[in-house]
Amino acid sequence: AQSVTQLDSQVPVFEEAPVELRCNYSSSVSVYLFWYVQYPNQGLQLLLKYLSGSTLVKGINGFEAEFNKSQTSFHLRKPSVHISDTAEYFCAVIYSGNTPLVFGKGTRLSVIA
Amino acid sequence: NAGVTQTPKFQVLKTGQSMTLQCAQDMNHEYMSWYRQDPGMGLRLIHYSVGAGITDQGEVPNGYNVSRSTTEDFPLRLLSAAPSQTSVYFCASRPRDRRGWGQPQHFGDGTRLSIL
Repeated sequence: AQSVTQLDSQVPVFEEAPVELRCNYSSSVSVYLFWYVQYPNQGLQLLLKYLSGSTLVKGINGFEAEFNKSQTSFHLRKPSVHISDTAEYFCAVIYSGNTPLVFGKGTRLSVIA
Repeated sequence: NAGVTQTPKFQVLKTGQSMTLQCAQDMNHEYMSWYRQDPGMGLRLIHYSVGAGITDQGEVPNGYNVSRSTTEDFPLRLLSAAPSQTSVYFCASRPRDRRGWGQPQHFGDGTRLSIL
């Protein structure tokens, strides 16, 4: 079955430090990749997406991600985090056609002052 | 444009009761789906639909029914509630465009359901 692996369940990081949240997906011919963010007691908000084209995609709040087909990865990065970035981050993949969006189990980012 | 609307936002049920979680979208999206979110499990797909009259099972369909009589609505029915169904439920929709189905999903705000 197609799957999405988020390698870290929790990531603590100090304020203004860089962060990388890792995501790997099952190999496929073509995929559509997404990162969603969920703030405490809220719904899911789209952070960024890769549909085609440039492998480096920029999203909201200063986040970016790089699609690496050979590594089947789509890691999320931010050069300097803020307290307000504390949230849970989900990587998600559409593997083909009208198939469902498959989620990773999430990474809880905690930014420490 | 309200997006994806879920009702109710909170619900407490007793074991064995039935209820329907409502989901409506006003974006004319063909694709709709239901997920449940549990700590450490991410979002798991319950049922989905690629258009009116078409539904299919996801990863965790047992104990839930769905129907899709219109493009706008996709209700989720709990047939006989069990404590294991205590969760946060999210409805989502996404469009089909000329490139296919690879578009972001829009999510509702969720329904927090507790089964006693």
